[in-house]
Amino acid sequence: SQTIHQWPATLVQPVGSPLSLECTVEGTSNPNLYWYRQAAGRGLQLLFYSVGIGQISSEVPQNLSASRPQDRQFILSSKKLLLSDSGFYLCAWTYSLGGWDTGELFFGEGSRLTVL
Amino acid sequence: AQSVTQLGSHVSVSEGALVLLRCNYSSSVPPYLFWYVQYPNQGLQLLLKYTTGATLVKGINGFEAEFKKSETSFHLTKPSAHMSDAAEYFCAVKRVSASKIIFGSGTRLSIRP
Repeated sequence: SQTIHQWPATLVQPVGSPLSLECTVEGTSNPNLYWYRQAAGRGLQLLFYSVGIGQISSEVPQNLSASRPQDRQFILSSKKLLLSDSGFYLCAWTYSLGGWDTGELFFGEGSRLTVL
Repeated sequence: AQSVTQLGSHVSVSEGALVLLRCNYSSSVPPYLFWYVQYPNQGLQLLLKYTTGATLVKGINGFEAEFKKSETSFHLTKPSAHMSDAAEYFCAVKRVSASKIIFGSGTRLSIRP
């Protein structure tokens, strides 16, 4: 069966510090991978998605970046955190077959980031 | 461009009453539509989805939604609310030929005893 792991679950970081959130998927190949951010009262905002290794689409210009160094690994990073980066970050994946996917997302448990 | 609008950030109903959560979408091409549920401090899980075929789709926990192309809507309903339905609900849209999946702002459902 497929599983998705996301870590760390919680972290508190000072403004200006770096960030690295990691997500891995097991039990499937060539998934589409997604990073979403959920801020209080602002719903679920798509940050990045990837359809393959090294292929990253950015949806929101900001001080965050994403990388996909391996097929089932997706990393969200920042060199210098802002207060506005606080939120609940969710990694998710979908099946992908020949460029087609069902769109059904499978979510990780999330990482809660507080920037002070 | 795709977009999703969920009317009402908070809906409160009595236990046993009808649940109606509204979702309208904008898409230039036929979409796939989804409803997800999120319990506190957890990720989201799929309730139901519309891809093609029957416009009334049934999901888990007694929920259903109807795709109405003429109204560009995909409202979520449940005939009788249960206390365990209290959660946040998100509507999402995806173009058939694309990988980007866009969510609405969410509706928090509260159930009164």
